[in-house]
Amino acid sequence: KQEVTQIPAALSVPEGENLVLNCSFTDSAIYNLQWFRQDPGKGLTSLLLIQSSQREQTSGRLNASLDKSSGRSTLYIAASQPGDSATYLCAVRNAGNMLTFGGGTRLMVKP
Amino acid sequence: DAGVIQSPRHEVTEMGQEVTLRCKPISGHNSLFWYRQTMMRGLELLIYFNNNVPIDDSGMPEDRFSAKMPNASFSTLKIQPSEPRDSAVYFCASTDVRTFLKGYGYTFGSGTRLTVV
Repeated sequence: KQEVTQIPAALSVPEGENLVLNCSFTDSAIYNLQWFRQDPGKGLTSLLLIQSSQREQTSGRLNASLDKSSGRSTLYIAASQPGDSATYLCAVRNAGNMLTFGGGTRLMVKP
Repeated sequence: DAGVIQSPRHEVTEMGQEVTLRCKPISGHNSLFWYRQTMMRGLELLIYFNNNVPIDDSGMPEDRFSAKMPNASFSTLKIQPSEPRDSAVYFCASTDVRTFLKGYGYTFGSGTRLTVV
């Protein structure tokens, strides 16, 4: 059974810092990995999707990497802003269309 | 496209009552998922459908929960009778192979916040 872990569970940084969120998974036979953002009381917004054949994806200040063999992904946020404050979730897709989610990292960026 | 549409946004009901949550997936998507989110357990997959057919319902907590997808544009999640421990946010998501190929992945609705008192 796939298990996804995100470290740290919570992170507080001053505005302008570059930061890294970590995601690890136990079963490396994944099809892809997706990073989501969730604001309090809101739904999930897709940030980046990395296919199993890819090593990284970039969107603006966000960069996600994938090392399938070691079961790890990182989400790099450059020049963090208060508006980046949210919970970040990673999810992996194994056989079929099922997504398994990590517990999330709650990020607070202080002005 | 309006995205995945869920209704109601909020539902407060008394223990023992029947609750029906609704979801309209993105047009053309052939896979639909129901998730439940709680502080204690995070996001849990309840059930998913491919081409309107239930594929895996192993996440459905118990017989009080049932889900249907009568057509490609509509799904319901029903709880009967509801209990306080069912209080959670219920999300619906949809996808198909083409969204993955385009790099978009899964699209989630805004969720239904259910409170059972």
